[in-house]
Amino acid sequence: NAGVTQTPKFQVLKTGQSMTLQCAQDMNHEYMSWYRQDPGMGLRLIHYSVGAGITDQGEVPNGYNVSRSTTEDFPLRLLSAAPSQTSVYFCASSYSNSLGYTFGSGTRLTVV
Amino acid sequence: AQKVTQAQTEISVVEKEDVTLDCVYETRDTTYYLFWYKQPPSGELVFLIRRNSFDEQNEISGRYSWNFQKSTSSFNFTITASQVVDSAVYFCALPPGANSKLTFGKGITLSVRP
Repeated sequence: NAGVTQTPKFQVLKTGQSMTLQCAQDMNHEYMSWYRQDPGMGLRLIHYSVGAGITDQGEVPNGYNVSRSTTEDFPLRLLSAAPSQTSVYFCASSYSNSLGYTFGSGTRLTVV
Repeated sequence: AQKVTQAQTEISVVEKEDVTLDCVYETRDTTYYLFWYKQPPSGELVFLIRRNSFDEQNEISGRYSWNFQKSTSSFNFTITASQVVDSAVYFCALPPGANSKLTFGKGITLSVRP
C-alpha cells in the first residue's frame, strides 16, 4: 500500500513549456484533489474529482487541466507554464469527505 | 461560503512551554468536520485530527489537545510541554458537507527553540 504517489518530486520548466504532474493512489479513494502551496498563501485548491470521469474547478484553476479516467490516477497538466506557476504542488485523496485526506509528498515546480 | 482563519502567522516558544494555535471557521453547513494537519520542515502533510461538529468534547492525545467550541466557531490546538520536533507549519482545514472542496487556513509556523 503506497498511499498517494506523486511524480516527479522536482521539475524545472521553461516559460511556455507544458508538462503533466502525475498522481496515483492505491487506496480506492473516490475523492482526489490538487493543491498548490505558496508562501503566505496556505494551500489553494486547483481542481478536484469526486470519482472517475468527474472533475471540477477549485479556487485557482487557470492554466491547469485535469482528467480522471480511472479511480487511481489524477494527473495535472500545465498547458503553457508561466513563472507564476512556480510552487509546490500536492495531490490528496480521501475515501470520504468526512475522513482525513492523505497527501502525496509534493512536487516542487520552478518555471524560469 | 467557507472560510478558515488562522490569525497567528508565526509563533516562537522555548522548549517545554505550552502553546495554543487558534483556528476560527465559517460555514453554512449544519454538520461539518474540522481537521488539523502538520507540515514539518521535510514538507509532507500529516493528518493530526478530525472533529465532528456534533461532538464538542475536548480531545487529548498525548501532549496534543484540541478545544472545539461551536458557539465561537473555533477549533484551537494546544501543545503541552512543546518540543523541538513540534516545529512545523500547522494548518486547520474545513471540508464542506456537500462537495469535496477542502478549505485550508493559511497556516501557523511554530518554532520551538531548545
